[in-house]
Amino acid sequence: GNSVTQMEGPVTLSEEAFLTINCTYTATGYPSLFWYVQYPGEGLQLLLKATKADDKGSNKGFEATYRKETTSFHLEKGSVQVSDSAVYFCALRGSGNTPLVFGKGTRLSVIA
Amino acid sequence: NAGVTQTPKFQVLKTGQSMTLQCAQDMNHNSMYWYRQDPGMGLRLIYYSASEGTTDKGEVPNGYNVSRLNKREFSLRLESAAPSQTSVYFCASTPAGHPNTEAFFGQGTRLTVV
Repeated sequence: GNSVTQMEGPVTLSEEAFLTINCTYTATGYPSLFWYVQYPGEGLQLLLKATKADDKGSNKGFEATYRKETTSFHLEKGSVQVSDSAVYFCALRGSGNTPLVFGKGTRLSVIA
Repeated sequence: NAGVTQTPKFQVLKTGQSMTLQCAQDMNHNSMYWYRQDPGMGLRLIYYSASEGTTDKGEVPNGYNVSRLNKREFSLRLESAAPSQTSVYFCASTPAGHPNTEAFFGQGTRLTVV
């Protein structure tokens, strides 16, 4: 079945550092890929998405590129801020009207 | 727009008690989902309803039942709560005919079973 593997956390970075959170997936067909963010005490919000190979999703300075050859969708940001501290989830949605499948989440803490 | 609304936001139950978690969406979405979130486990699918009148089991359905009351509402019932069901529960929805769209989430229900 479909599955998502993302890097274990927690990740602690200083403000303005470069961020990478790795995400790889296993799926049949051509899934859509998503990054969600969860701020403390809140629900999940969509951060960005990509629906086909080589698409790049971007939002709020975050980027991720759908790499079918490496089955990856790594999240990057060039300069993190304290306000980026949150839990980040990689997810995929397979072909057809199927539910989202999530990775285990990566907690990011950014210190000033 | 309210989006996806879950009630209650917090609940404490004693082992063996029952309760129903409510979820409603006002986006005219066809599909609705219940997930649970546990530390180190990410979000796991409990049940989902692809359309009004249908429900299907997800990854962790044991101990739960669901009802798709109408297009807007999808409830999750715990008949006899157990400490292992202590978790944060999220309801989500997606529109019909758009398999590549994201899911929209409620704010969650934090449930503690003692």
